[in-house]
Amino acid sequence: DAEITQSPRHKITETGRQVTLACHQTWNHNNMFWYRQDLGHGLRLIHYSYGVHDTNKGEVSDGYSVSRSNTEDLPLTLESAASSQTSVYFCASSESGSYNEQFFGPGTRLTVL
Amino acid sequence: AQSVTQPDIHITVSEGASLELRCNYSYGATPYLFWYVQSPGQGLQLLLKYFSGDTLVQGIKGFEAEFKRSQSSFNLRKPSVHWSDAAEYFCAVGARRDDKIIFGKGTRLHILP
Repeated sequence: DAEITQSPRHKITETGRQVTLACHQTWNHNNMFWYRQDLGHGLRLIHYSYGVHDTNKGEVSDGYSVSRSNTEDLPLTLESAASSQTSVYFCASSESGSYNEQFFGPGTRLTVL
Repeated sequence: AQSVTQPDIHITVSEGASLELRCNYSYGATPYLFWYVQSPGQGLQLLLKYFSGDTLVQGIKGFEAEFKRSQSSFNLRKPSVHWSDAAEYFCAVGARRDDKIIFGKGTRLHILP
């Protein structure tokens, strides 16, 4: 069965360290998205990609970067982790077309000390 | 720009009672509308979606939602809730010009035995 996976599921790091969160999907979807989920804010879009070598900034992109070298993966990098980036991060993918369902991964809980 | 408002942060209902979760959207044209559910510690799962046609949409797990253009609403309903329905529910709106969707801040549903 096709799926979308995230790793690690839990991560504790220190302020200033670089952190990379992995997202891998086997749906062969063109679109991939990264969100963060915080109490009182719901899900906010960090970065998204419509295909290989395409990346776009979402509403809360400062301090984050992504790259898309193949269809299956969209890793999210925190260049220099800050305590404000403590959150739960979700990756999602969808077929092209905004009427299409986004399929979500299980999430990564990141704590920055 | 599109936006979504879920007026209720928490809703508590008794098991077997009916449920209605409210969602209002802002968008200049007919949007794509979604309801997602998130069980504790899980990613989001699509319950139902609307993009055209019949304004009453049936979803999984016995849920339905009605699109009312005049009220800019897309409320979620279920005639009789089960303890397993306790979760967080997100309304979302998608624009027809790109593949992004914007999520509301969520409504947490609590079920009394």
